Amino acid sequence: GQQLNQSPQSMFIQEGEDVSMNCTSSSIFNTWLWYKQDPGEGPVLLIALYKAGELTSNGRLTAQFGITRKDSFLNISASIPSDVGIYFCAGQLGSNDYKLSFGAGTTVTVRA
Amino acid sequence: SQTIHQWPATLVQPVGSPLSLECTVEGTSNPNLYWYRQAAGRGLQLLFYSVGIGQISSEVPQNLSASRPQDRQFILSSKKLLLSDSGFYLCAWRTGTYNQPQHFGDGTRLSIL
Repeated sequence: GQQLNQSPQSMFIQEGEDVSMNCTSSSIFNTWLWYKQDPGEGPVLLIALYKAGELTSNGRLTAQFGITRKDSFLNISASIPSDVGIYFCAGQLGSNDYKLSFGAGTTVTVRA
Repeated sequence: SQTIHQWPATLVQPVGSPLSLECTVEGTSNPNLYWYRQAAGRGLQLLFYSVGIGQISSEVPQNLSASRPQDRQFILSSKKLLLSDSGFYLCAWRTGTYNQPQHFGDGTRLSIL
């Protein structure tokens, strides 16, 4: 599938901080998804976005579908220790596309 | 509600041995099914997907094969495992309707010795 550029590759969080990560592509996507993966488990869907400009929240998480349809970002407000994990963005090119393209992931760890 | 089950959770196999990983989905009909592999600290690589019984699409030529003998069952197999087959294998499903997201199982950690 298409390669998604996800950044940053890793980040350290301190409890209470707001953090942000984003995903960009050279192609236009029909759907953007954000997943979180805890160690040894499968990714869990956090937020799904279906329209350009859409801003959707899930608790302390907020994600936006970029106006150009080539990018998306995820914000975590007021970080807590259980926010650590790997966050993946994923995009679907067309409504009839069975496959997803994934970013390489952003690893979030707690700053010592 | 829909659930997805993968087993076993962990597996240690010698090089050259066969492999069979199973994935089943409950609570939905005619799902799209997927097998991914994830190397340590890496992203997700799509291996196979299926849109119906007996219909398998292969994404990466390799030592593995997939089968879908029943509507909600997806099996990943190998006749002879290689060291490079080690990794974390994830099964995923989604409904066949427009634009629905994929949902993942808990994965199988496969170690080849």
